[in-house]
Amino acid sequence: EVQLLESGGHLVQPGGSLRLSCAASGFTFSSYAMSWVRQAPEKGLEWISGISGSGISTYYADSVKGRFTISRDSSKNTLYLQMNSLRVEDMAIYYCVKADGRYPVLATIDYWGQGTLVTVSS
Amino acid sequence: DIQMTQSPSSLSASVGDRVTITCRASQDITTYLAWFQQKPGKAPKSLIYAASSLHIGVPSKFSGSGSGTDFTLTISSLQPEDFATYYCQQYNTYPLTFGGGTKLEIK
Repeated sequence: EVQLLESGGHLVQPGGSLRLSCAASGFTFSSYAMSWVRQAPEKGLEWISGISGSGISTYYADSVKGRFTISRDSSKNTLYLQMNSLRVEDMAIYYCVKADGRYPVLATIDYWGQGTLVTVSS
Repeated sequence: DIQMTQSPSSLSASVGDRVTITCRASQDITTYLAWFQQKPGKAPKSLIYAASSLHIGVPSKFSGSGSGTDFTLTISSLQPEDFATYYCQQYNTYPLTFGGGTKLEIK
């Protein structure tokens, strides 16, 4: 059974940093692309970053480019999102998602984690 | 970026009804279109991929169609557990983008 378990969500001040983790199980982690999708309070879904199965290729939405870094550790079956220079508008539930292919594009999202809440406030 | 436009943004229907939600892409995405269901306080669930293929375990009451720029999600014989928010998403081009969502409510 595929399981994705996010952690690391917290209250942080504007300008601060946070690292999210997503522990994956139930599939061959290095064979599949992973992404982060976020949802601001009472808003829709926004894809913000993806990484290839190998970890070599990374992709970002303009809203987070230059501030967030996605990475993965296949020895730990874990996906990460390093978030720097956080803004109030980054406040959201962050979901870890698995893609059904080696790259986030041309591969559908087939599994979602339960999400972790990031609150950005002074 | 490819814009995904869903209509309607909200929809009221009764148990037993059949409803259709529309999703339009701002450019051709062939059939790289997915649909997700989200219930309040829960993570989204994957329903349909490649415009018309059901994920394992998704009941056949859900069906998808379309290609190019115009797509539909149809839900037949609505049950109380189907009332939720539905999102379409294109995965043809970076950045991957979602529609704004359609909230399906009980009439």
